[in-house]
Amino acid sequence: DTAVSQTPKYLVTQMGNDKSIKCEQNLGHDTMYWYKQDSKKFLKIMFSYNNKELIINETVPNRFSPKSPDKAHLNLHINSLELGDSAVYFCASGDIANQPQHFGDGTRLSIL
Amino acid sequence: AQSVAQPEDQVNVAEGNPLTVKCTYSVSGNPYLFWYVQYPNRGLQFLLKYITGDNLVKGSYGFEAEFNKSQTSFHLKKPSALVSDSALYFCAVRDDDYKLSFGAGTTVTVRA
Repeated sequence: DTAVSQTPKYLVTQMGNDKSIKCEQNLGHDTMYWYKQDSKKFLKIMFSYNNKELIINETVPNRFSPKSPDKAHLNLHINSLELGDSAVYFCASGDIANQPQHFGDGTRLSIL
Repeated sequence: AQSVAQPEDQVNVAEGNPLTVKCTYSVSGNPYLFWYVQYPNRGLQFLLKYITGDNLVKGSYGFEAEFNKSQTSFHLKKPSALVSDSALYFCAVRDDDYKLSFGAGTTVTVRA
């Protein structure tokens, strides 16, 4: 069973489009995260939700909007995609205090 | 803010030789430190963590890490490296608001 699953795995789209990435975890964790990994493999947190409540919101353009319908799901919607949004986006889940975080396999977003 | 540094972009070792991946940290309180590994086109996998207690922490796949408070280091080690250990390794520290801050990563290549 996949613990943290993301869809789609690959996303190729044009600049200016709107797209969504979905994430689901079956580990029973209360907290979910979105990370961005750039072309140099540098990882940075974007958002975190605990029991459907936003708890971490880093300096991310407001074109990015996370949504958590329940604690097992955290989706990421991106409006007006730009070339600089090309990256791999990772979803993760964990128990907030004890960690560790469990990661999905990532969504590779390519903007043409 | 908490941070970690991984001074080496790349580490190359021969199979069967000891492997060390370096990490130093900067924290304002007690450190909560982690090591993750990333294989190509996969998400991060948890290897081990230090929260408190014994300075030598044992983890998955035969890896261990030594916490050294005086040197503010948390180096990852494996006594005998395998070709399959070739991957990207990340050190991370947990902030007071429970988010993980990652180092820049170290690419390990183990040659047969």
